[in-house]
Amino acid sequence: QQQVKQSPQSLIVQKGGISIINCAYENTAFDYFPWYQQFPGKGPALLIAIRPDVSEKKEGRFTISFNKSAKQFSLHIMDSQPGDSATYFCAARETSGSRLTFGEGTQLTVNP
Amino acid sequence: EPEVTQTPSHQVTQMGQEVILRCVPISNHLYFYWYRQILGQKVEFLVSFYNNEISEKSEIFDDQFSVERPDGSNFTLKIRSTKLEDSAMYFCASSDRQGYGYTFGSGTRLTVV
Repeated sequence: QQQVKQSPQSLIVQKGGISIINCAYENTAFDYFPWYQQFPGKGPALLIAIRPDVSEKKEGRFTISFNKSAKQFSLHIMDSQPGDSATYFCAARETSGSRLTFGEGTQLTVNP
Repeated sequence: EPEVTQTPSHQVTQMGQEVILRCVPISNHLYFYWYRQILGQKVEFLVSFYNNEISEKSEIFDDQFSVERPDGSNFTLKIRSTKLEDSAMYFCASSDRQGYGYTFGSGTRLTVV
């Protein structure tokens, strides 16, 4: 019940295309859902995050869509660029907790 | 932009030896965390620390692990007797609110031989 399932494991997109990464969870006590971007040899960096009281949040080319009833959320990267090539992790945090539970990660490659 | 600094970047140790991984969190942050990432796997929570005590820990964080904030700036993770399976990237993180807006360091790659 603590898990966050992420798909796909890897994704190849052409420059200018849309990258979509999906996550699903079971624990209804999760109340905060961040996405992290990780480049090789670096720590995860917070990209964008959402609370379950909204269905969508957009920051620049990055959008989170959230479906509370389905317990799913997704990251959309519009106009994908080669510099977006990285590993992306979704995560979730329980109400009043401190730990983040991470998904398995998606390795995104954007071809020029 | 403020950073979380971790040292060393890479540590090789013999099985059974003690290691201390060091972190300097962002100065005005109050919450501190350790995570680990075994090569090719997901990031796993180890422990969170607030007000000089552990606030939450995972099943991974057993008696061989300990954390300490020895002074006003450092936050350390000690592994008492390392095992081969402790080989991983260890990330320190800090935040100004519990569980929100983490900033991660670049990690320490621990290799146990």
